[in-house]
Amino acid sequence: SQQGEEDPQALSIQEGENATMNCSYKTSINNLQWYRQNSGRGLVHLILIRSNEREKHSGRLRVTLDTSKKSSSLLITASRAADTASYFCATALTGGFKTIFGAGTRLFVKA
Amino acid sequence: EAGVAQSPRYKIIEKRQSVAFWCNPISGHATLYWYQQILGQGPKLLIQFQNNGVVDDSQLPKDRFSAERLKGVDSTLKIQPAKLEDSAVYLCASSLGQLAGRYNEQFFGPGTRLTVL
Repeated sequence: SQQGEEDPQALSIQEGENATMNCSYKTSINNLQWYRQNSGRGLVHLILIRSNEREKHSGRLRVTLDTSKKSSSLLITASRAADTASYFCATALTGGFKTIFGAGTRLFVKA
Repeated sequence: EAGVAQSPRYKIIEKRQSVAFWCNPISGHATLYWYQQILGQGPKLLIQFQNNGVVDDSQLPKDRFSAERLKGVDSTLKIQPAKLEDSAVYLCASSLGQLAGRYNEQFFGPGTRLTVL
């Protein structure tokens, strides 16, 4: 199985609601990154959280990291139809150079 | 700032044929990545360059895939011969560079959608 696994695989919500996606990983990491992919803009970096950080914010995005549980969550507040996309977590492994992507969560925001 | 450029955007070939993809990273980015993304899955790293040296190619099927980054700038990824299971989007990404203990965000190109018939 992959290093990073997102949960849920798919999520459908109404515009204005919050969306929460989770990522679990197996081995020690240097940092964890979240990316968004939609047909219009391709794969885009959203936020990076380092292993010594617990929470980061960027606009309507909030990311948490729990290294003891080897898990991270991405919260999108007040979702918009334009947030409809696939969201991937990518883990940068400690002691190496590799960044590994999970399978993604497919978010659908209904207007 | 210009983004990561890739060409072609689409390619259709028959199995056993060869194909090549080209990537021009963001100027000044030392690290270049090639990913394979099969429909419904996350990107899978095929090869990673730091300048013109290979950092990781553990998931590159070396019997049919090859990649080079001459002069540490542009890169090409080649498949020869192609198989049906190679149908995927091939993404190129670049980042400023990876020093020990530091990782940078990756900037992705639009990808090349390969269909092998």
